[in-house]
Amino acid sequence: GAVVSQHPSWVICKSGTSVKIECRSLDFQATTMFWYRQFPKQSLMLMATSNEGSKATYEQGVEKDKFLINHASLTLSTLTVTSAHPEDSSFYICSATLQGGYTEAFFGQGTRLTVV
Amino acid sequence: QKEVEQDPGPLSVPEGAIVSLNCTYSNSAFQYFMWYRQYSRKGPELLMYTYSSGNKEDGRFTAQVDKSSKYISLFIRDSQPSDSATYLCAGSGSARQLTFGSGTQLTVLP
Repeated sequence: GAVVSQHPSWVICKSGTSVKIECRSLDFQATTMFWYRQFPKQSLMLMATSNEGSKATYEQGVEKDKFLINHASLTLSTLTVTSAHPEDSSFYICSATLQGGYTEAFFGQGTRLTVV
Repeated sequence: QKEVEQDPGPLSVPEGAIVSLNCTYSNSAFQYFMWYRQYSRKGPELLMYTYSSGNKEDGRFTAQVDKSSKYISLFIRDSQPSDSATYLCAGSGSARQLTFGSGTQLTVLP
């Protein structure tokens, strides 16, 4: 299957700083990438849909100024958590879908963010 | 009501048992149904997907979808300790966005 690489796999940052998470599709072009957030023992909650070359579409309740998403190329999307606070600590996961056809989504390995 | 409901478990079974995992959904627009396996601190891995109603088999795994009752199932035959993980069901309409259940934590005991 297709490979999606997410980096870093874990990060610890100080409250008030910003953190950037990268999501790359390694062997395919992804017109659409999705960003999810997962709390312990809970499901993945969609945060935003990222389309190459256009602004991301955010889900209700997700602050677009806090979670900046950039999808500059067909193989790279980034999520920047700005002015992070301890309540932003979570597991962030991206996924990418192949161009055209059905919805098979491939997931990155996730990034565990801890804000101290 | 959540769009996809899934019993969170935890579910423990002995090695070799048949495991049945189930979800219900409420969104009639869902056409694609997926099962993902997620190990601790890892991203989800696609196990099976089905389109509309029907069965699909892949090795020890069988996925079933009954759109009339909005019911999704995953069966694991001859379960192995390596199958211990959280299993997530998901539905998707034409928008290509996935809506996940909360996941069922499965432990297969040797």
